[in-house]
Amino acid sequence: QSALTQPASVSGSPGQSITISCTGTSSDVGSYKFVSWYQQHPGKAPKLIIYDVSNRPSGLSDRFSGSKSGNMASLTISGLQAEDEADYYCSSYTTRTSVVFGGGTKLTVL
Amino acid sequence: QVQLQESGPGQVKPSETLSLTCTVSGGSISTSSFYWAWIRQPPGKGLEWIGSIFYTGSSYYSPSLKSRVTISVDESKNQFSLKLNSVTAADTAVYYCARESRIVGDFGVYNGACDIWGQGTTVTVSS
Repeated sequence: QSALTQPASVSGSPGQSITISCTGTSSDVGSYKFVSWYQQHPGKAPKLIIYDVSNRPSGLSDRFSGSKSGNMASLTISGLQAEDEADYYCSSYTTRTSVVFGGGTKLTVL
Repeated sequence: QVQLQESGPGQVKPSETLSLTCTVSGGSISTSSFYWAWIRQPPGKGLEWIGSIFYTGSSYYSPSLKSRVTISVDESKNQFSLKLNSVTAADTAVYYCARESRIVGDFGVYNGACDIWGQGTTVTVSS
């Protein structure tokens, strides 16, 4: 089972925008709209921030947005804040295994 | 609001069986809208989906763990459980239970996002 591919780390300064990519295949990201993104702070459980490619859970800041093109999904965080520093994971439905996660991306706010 | 809480031993000996239970409170486990999932995270590593179950007992497993995993559900207790046998040090991880959306589409039924997570429980495999 191959995990979705994410960059190991990204960084940005407060107020800037960053984008995290999540590359899959035609068996997962490329064929389904069931792509999710999670934020995880150290020692905490993951928190859902995007579901079905681009939908935000109720009450979540609109600074977080998601999109998809072909086999790649993306998470964009605009107006970067110190509290956004965390690990981010994508996941997707997959025909082979039901659910697959990305390897995770560490976001550093400079 | 729905909450999930994992429980079980924090240490398991190599070759033995890891057993965890997730108790669902604030809502019924017997809903057609959700699966109930187990996800783990080895120390310093990423998330790994283990599997999930529908309240009727239909279950889905990661191929890499399928031969060693059993997920079951107890509607009367509003709980679901994980058993992982023949454990090794590689199974040391934080284990999370989560509520996973179940999406009925035109061409099938799909696993969606995990919107509610337990706090996680650390399981160490060591003699």
